[in-house]
Amino acid sequence: DARVTQTPRHKVTEMGQEVTMRCQPILGHNTVFWYRQTMMQGLELLAYFRNRAPLDDSGMPKDRFSAEMPDATLATLKIQPSEPRDSAVYFCASGFGLAETQYFGPGTRLLVL
Amino acid sequence: DQQVKQNSPSLSVQEGRISILNCDYTNSMFDYFLWYKKYPAEGPTFLISISSIKDKNEDGRFTVFLNKSAKHLSLHIVPSQPGDSAVYFCAASGRGSTLGRLYFGRGTQLTVWP
Repeated sequence: DARVTQTPRHKVTEMGQEVTMRCQPILGHNTVFWYRQTMMQGLELLAYFRNRAPLDDSGMPKDRFSAEMPDATLATLKIQPSEPRDSAVYFCASGFGLAETQYFGPGTRLLVL
Repeated sequence: DQQVKQNSPSLSVQEGRISILNCDYTNSMFDYFLWYKKYPAEGPTFLISISSIKDKNEDGRFTVFLNKSAKHLSLHIVPSQPGDSAVYFCAASGRGSTLGRLYFGRGTQLTVWP
């Protein structure tokens, strides 16, 4: 049963701390997406990769967010330093192409105090 | 700039009746459309899709209709069940264009009551 996995599922941290979220895409998928869900913005696209290369990260605050794919089985999203306004649910999704169906992970619920 | 719009944030329907969720898009380059369902504390799950060469796609209780001239699509659920209560996201992409990625609407909360 292929699925996207995300760790941790929940994270509570204090303002100013570094937060790292991890995602394992479905084996064989060549595109990976990071989204943030908030009440106000719905599903907000932060960044995406194709074949591990970053294609667009214009949705991320550049000064504090960074996204990488160290290898085909791991994508990371880091926030440093974290702020209370970063509190949200962060989803990773993967697919076989940019314009194709995406499959979402369960999300990381982040709370920054 | 919201290229995919779901103008109804919520919909309430009685069990057994039809649920109709609507979605409008602005970009004529979109040629692939999807619906996702999301339960609380879970990620969105793919429900059904339709290509622009069709105007209808059916999967069990779920049917998606596409009206290209009106740039409008809808998801019909018949009959509605309490387990269908969730947030439904509409999404669109341009497979035959350089648009790339999926564009999502903001979602419609469906509540099916007994």
